[in-house]
Amino acid sequence: DGGITQSPKYLFRKEGQNVTLSCEQNLNHDAMYWYRQDPGQGLRLIYYSQIVNDFQKGDIAEGYSVSREKKESFPLTVTSAQKNPTAFYLCASSINRGSYNSPLHFGNGTRLTVT
Amino acid sequence: DAKTTQPTSMDCAEGRAANLPCNHSTISGNEYVYWYRQIHSQGPQYIIHGLKNNETNEMASLIITEDRKSSTLILPHATLRDTAVYYCIVRGAHGGATNKLIFGTGTLLAVQP
Repeated sequence: DGGITQSPKYLFRKEGQNVTLSCEQNLNHDAMYWYRQDPGQGLRLIYYSQIVNDFQKGDIAEGYSVSREKKESFPLTVTSAQKNPTAFYLCASSINRGSYNSPLHFGNGTRLTVT
Repeated sequence: DAKTTQPTSMDCAEGRAANLPCNHSTISGNEYVYWYRQIHSQGPQYIIHGLKNNETNEMASLIITEDRKSSTLILPHATLRDTAVYYCIVRGAHGGATNKLIFGTGTLLAVQP
């Protein structure tokens, strides 16, 4: 089955440590995205990539970094510079990077807890 | 950016149609209306989207008013598994991020047995 796989589902880290969240898709989608969701709130865009080897900052990129070396993979690193890293992280992809008529498909998220 | 307004919560009896309203009075001509839903602790699930005409798929129907200032998502026969937060999103160009989705807080639909 085609889809988006995020791993792990739950992740625990100590404050001051960097952590990398995995996102893989086998949908052959061009564009990939990372969102963050906090309790009772909507999703906020962290980074997005419309093509391999290219990515742009979203609304809340500070303290995060990404890479897009392969079409199917878009890992997100939460660095120690991120002040409030505990959140639910969602990865998404879409078939067409330049169109509004192209739904985003989401993974099932990684819940990161930093203590 | 076009903004959407949805009721915070709604109830629906199992087996009945669920009609979820959304206001988007500042929508512009090239912006699509998207609906997603999110079940607790899962990723959002795409339901349906449209520009001007009414749309139907295996999950739901989308009715968009002629002036495009509001829309209604219809789940024809709600089941307990349809209990979720439903997001209405207007999608267009946002500062160059042409695929950007802006999520509000949505409508919590509770399907009652």
